[in-house]
Amino acid sequence: GNSVTQMEGPVTLSEEAFLTINCTYTATGYPSLFWYVQYPGEGLQLLLKATKADDKGSNKGFEATYRKETTSFHLEKGSVQVSDSAVYFCALREEDAGGTSYGKLTFGQGTILTVHP
Amino acid sequence: GAVVSQHPSWVICKSGTSVKIECRSLDFQATTMFWYRQFPKQSLMLMATSNEGSKATYEQGVEKDKFLINHASLTLSTLTVTSAHPEDSSFYICSSKDVRQGLAQPQHFGDGTRLSIL
Repeated sequence: GNSVTQMEGPVTLSEEAFLTINCTYTATGYPSLFWYVQYPGEGLQLLLKATKADDKGSNKGFEATYRKETTSFHLEKGSVQVSDSAVYFCALREEDAGGTSYGKLTFGQGTILTVHP
Repeated sequence: GAVVSQHPSWVICKSGTSVKIECRSLDFQATTMFWYRQFPKQSLMLMATSNEGSKATYEQGVEKDKFLINHASLTLSTLTVTSAHPEDSSFYICSSKDVRQGLAQPQHFGDGTRLSIL
């Protein structure tokens, strides 16, 4: 079956530090990959996505590149802010060979990020 | 703005009560909706897939008689936690996908419902 593994947290950084959250996956087909962010007490928001190998997703200064050879989708940001404090989830969605998405997401365990001033 | 509305956002009730959670797609048709459960400081676990006009598909280990799902229209799915007990306390999140969008477009998530059973 599909699985997603994220680096264990929590991650604590000072403002303007560089952020990396590792994510690796296993999938039998051609997954799309996502990063979601969850702020305290809220639901999930899509942060960025990539649908095929070598695609780079980016949003709000965050980036992640779909690496098929290493089955990874690591999240990076060059300079974090206090407002980036949240839980980050890596997820994959399997697309079948015909490209029709069933839609079921498989999530990683989440990584808590805390940024101090 | 929000494209999936989930209601209520927070509910506290006594043990034995049944609780209904609604998930609405606001400006698109959702033939499929997903219900997730999240325990504190843990990831989201898919509970069931709700299909409009047919029975929901439950994940292994999820009691279908405990968590009743109804998806009677293209814009509304409901999750009813029947005879809720303290161990059912959790954060429940729904999501859906606009079927008109292209392949590999992301799902839209509701803001979640925090259920606390006393």
